[in-house]
Amino acid sequence: KQEVTQIPAALSVPEGENLVLNCSFTDSAIYNLQWFRQDPGKGLTSLLLIQSSQREQTSGRLNASLDKSSGRSTLYIAASQPGDSATYLCAVSSGGSNYKLTFGKGTLLTVNP
Amino acid sequence: DGGITQSPKYLFRKEGQNVTLSCEQNLNHDAMYWYRQDPGQGLRLIYYSQIVNDFQKGDIAEGYSVSREKKESFPLTVTSAQKNPTAFYLCASTLGAGFGTEAFFGQGTRLTVV
Repeated sequence: KQEVTQIPAALSVPEGENLVLNCSFTDSAIYNLQWFRQDPGKGLTSLLLIQSSQREQTSGRLNASLDKSSGRSTLYIAASQPGDSATYLCAVSSGGSNYKLTFGKGTLLTVNP
Repeated sequence: DGGITQSPKYLFRKEGQNVTLSCEQNLNHDAMYWYRQDPGQGLRLIYYSQIVNDFQKGDIAEGYSVSREKKESFPLTVTSAQKNPTAFYLCASTLGAGFGTEAFFGQGTRLTVV
């Protein structure tokens, strides 16, 4: 059974700092990995999708890496801003029919002005 | 704008009632999914549908039912058999069957038992 763990559960940083969020998964036979952002009381917004054959993806100040063999992914946020404050969720697609997206419990990020 | 619309945003259910949550997408996606989110537990899959007129149970389907009569619509009914329905419900879709492509989510429906 696939399990996804995100560390830390919460992170508070001053504005402008670079930061890394971590995600690990137990079964390396994944199709892809996605990072999402969730604001309080809202739905999920897709940030980055990394296919299993890729090592990293970048979008603006965000960079996500994937090491499938070790079951790890990191989300790097450069020059953090107060607007980045949200919960960040990691999810992996796996399973025989590729139907299932397994989520971690998220990292609550607070960026202080 | 293309996207997923969930309604209502807030829903209150009395004991013993069935309630239906709406999910509509105009992305022309084949597959749609329902997830439940509880504090401290993350998201759990309730049902998914990879094609019209077909759907499969997820990890926590008991007490829920769905239908997929149209490609763009995937309503979820929370029945009286669901003993702890208070949660945040999220609908998602993908272009093809399964999560080989990017998943898009709606803004959620918060269901509360009163």
